Amino acid sequence: GAVVSQHPSRVICKSGTSVKIECRSLDFQATTMFWYRQFPKKSLMLMATSNEGSKATYEQGVEKDKFLINHASLTLSTLTVTSAHPEDSSFYICSARDQEGLPYEQYFGPGTRLTVT
Amino acid sequence: RKEVEQDPGPFNVPEGATVAFNCTYSNSASQSFFWYRQDCRKEPKLLMSVYSSGNEDGRFTAQLNRASQYISLLIRDSKLSDSATYLCVVKAAGNKLTFGGGTRVLVKP
Repeated sequence: GAVVSQHPSRVICKSGTSVKIECRSLDFQATTMFWYRQFPKKSLMLMATSNEGSKATYEQGVEKDKFLINHASLTLSTLTVTSAHPEDSSFYICSARDQEGLPYEQYFGPGTRLTVT
Repeated sequence: RKEVEQDPGPFNVPEGATVAFNCTYSNSASQSFFWYRQDCRKEPKLLMSVYSSGNEDGRFTAQLNRASQYISLLIRDSKLSDSATYLCVVKAAGNKLTFGGGTRVLVKP
């Protein structure tokens, strides 16, 4: 099946620093990728939809200047958490839609656990 | 009201028993429905899509009731490995998926 990777899988950073998370589709091209955040014992919340070659679409309440998304190629999207604070500590998961696949199919990456101290 | 609501559980299930749980959704224009499984500290994985006529995949049976706006998942002959959180996922127009909060299932020997 389709594979999506994320890097890093775990990161600990100090408050005020920025962290970049990569999401790659390994064996398919993804014009659309999605970034989710999941707090402990909570559901996945969509943060933004990343479109290759254009600006990301952010969900209501998600600050686009704080969560910078770049989708520069058909296989890579990055999420940068700028000036991270402890409340940004969460599990960040990306998913990618195979442009050749069914419209509803999304393949999830293994997630990145961010801890801000 | 949340777009997709689930009983968080946990449902404590004896091994070999049957367990069923529902998920309700608020958007009547929802088009596609799925059950995902998420293990602790892992990404969600697609368990099965839910079709209008209901569908079965081995020990798992999914049903959709559009009139009452809910979907259900039934697990027969529960295995220890079925212990997980089951996420109800709904898709309206476009590619956006909306996740429920998940139902935690614990299968015990």
